[in-house]
Amino acid sequence: AQSVAQPEDQVNVAEGNPLTVKCTYSVSGNPYLFWYVQYPNRGLQFLLKYITGDNLVKGSYGFEAEFNKSQTSFHLKKPSALVSDSALYFCAVRDARTGGFKTIFGAGTRLFVKA
Amino acid sequence: DTAVSQTPKYLVTQMGNDKSIKCEQNLGHDTMYWYKQDSKKFLKIMFSYNNKELIINETVPNRFSPKSPDKAHLNLHINSLELGDSAVYFCASSQGKPSALNTEAFFGQGTRLTVV
Repeated sequence: AQSVAQPEDQVNVAEGNPLTVKCTYSVSGNPYLFWYVQYPNRGLQFLLKYITGDNLVKGSYGFEAEFNKSQTSFHLKKPSALVSDSALYFCAVRDARTGGFKTIFGAGTRLFVKA
Repeated sequence: DTAVSQTPKYLVTQMGNDKSIKCEQNLGHDTMYWYKQDSKKFLKIMFSYNNKELIINETVPNRFSPKSPDKAHLNLHINSLELGDSAVYFCASSQGKPSALNTEAFFGQGTRLTVV
């Protein structure tokens, strides 16, 4: 069965420092991976996705993610964090072998960026 | 200009009542979803509709009944509300069929349902 794990409930980083939010996945076919961000009292917003091609994917607001097939990971990164990046981040996967009908979300990682 | 809009934003009601949440998207998407986010922020799909046709029903109690009058609308009706139904419910939409693997979802702002 497909699954997504976000091993950290919370990540704390100082403004201006690089940030990483971790995600590992388990699928039976080729993975289609997504990152979403949720600000307080708001719906999820799409950040970026990996479908195929380059392992480094660039997305909105300066975020990028690196797909690593051997480690089954898709970590979200940003070179320099902003206080406004503080939010809840969700990794998600769709599995081609199950028809992709479902998007499975991780449990979320709360990012705190301190000024 | 809101892409996916839900009403109401907040809903407080007593156990046993029946309530509805409305959702509309103006993106021209063919597929719409309902998700439930619990108090621990865990997000789980409930239903998926494609062009008014039910595609996914994720073992949700029969008290929950989605209705899609057209592909731009997907409403959620809940009968006999229970305390455990308290959560944030998100409507979402995406382009193409639910099986389109490479498409991201666009979410509404959520409806916070509190059952007392």
